[in-house]
Amino acid sequence: QITLKESGPTLVKPTQTLTLTCTFSGFSLTTSGVGVGWFRQPPGMALEWLASIYWNGDKRYSPSLRSRLTITNDTSKNQVVLTMTNMDPVDTATYYCAHRHGAITISGVVDRFDPWGQGTLVTVSS
Amino acid sequence: DIQMTQSPSSLSASVGDRVTITCRASQTISSYLNWYQQKPGKAPKLLIYAASSLQSGVPSRFSGSGSGTDFTLTISSLQPEDFATYYCQQTYSISITFGQGTRLEIK
Repeated sequence: QITLKESGPTLVKPTQTLTLTCTFSGFSLTTSGVGVGWFRQPPGMALEWLASIYWNGDKRYSPSLRSRLTITNDTSKNQVVLTMTNMDPVDTATYYCAHRHGAITISGVVDRFDPWGQGTLVTVSS
Repeated sequence: DIQMTQSPSSLSASVGDRVTITCRASQTISSYLNWYQQKPGKAPKLLIYAASSLQSGVPSRFSGSGSGTDFTLTISSLQPEDFATYYCQQTYSISITFGQGTRLEIK
């Protein structure tokens, strides 16, 4: 059974750096085709993809947030860490991590994210 | 970024109804389209991947179709537990994007 859980501060001040940890079980980030993605959802709004890290070390970032994001993994601890610098009140959101696995189709390998962690609400306020 | 537009934004329906939600991409995305269900206060749940493949464990009343730029999610006979918000997601581009969501409410 695959599980993921996000952890980190619930409140950060503007301009501070946010560090979130995704601790997972039931899979290894060294297995071919596996990855972890980070997403967020402001209250009452839609989902937004932030970053992904893959079994082969590849890392991808949202173009609009690339300069503020860093994603890393610690395979010995089964953790993926996301840092976001220069936090602003508009970054207030529930942050989720999710297991990525590719589905082989006639079109190619399709990303799918399942399951997701329960999410953690981060509020940015002074 | 590839823009994903869902319609309608909200929908009222009754138990037993057949419901269709559409998602349109701003450029072709082949079949790189997933559908998620989200209930209030909960994480999203994958329903359909690669436009039409049913994720394991998801009831067969859910189905997906489409390719290129136009996609649909159909629920053949609404059940009480299906009232939720639904999101489409494209993974064709390196920059993954979602639709704005469709809120499905009880009539």
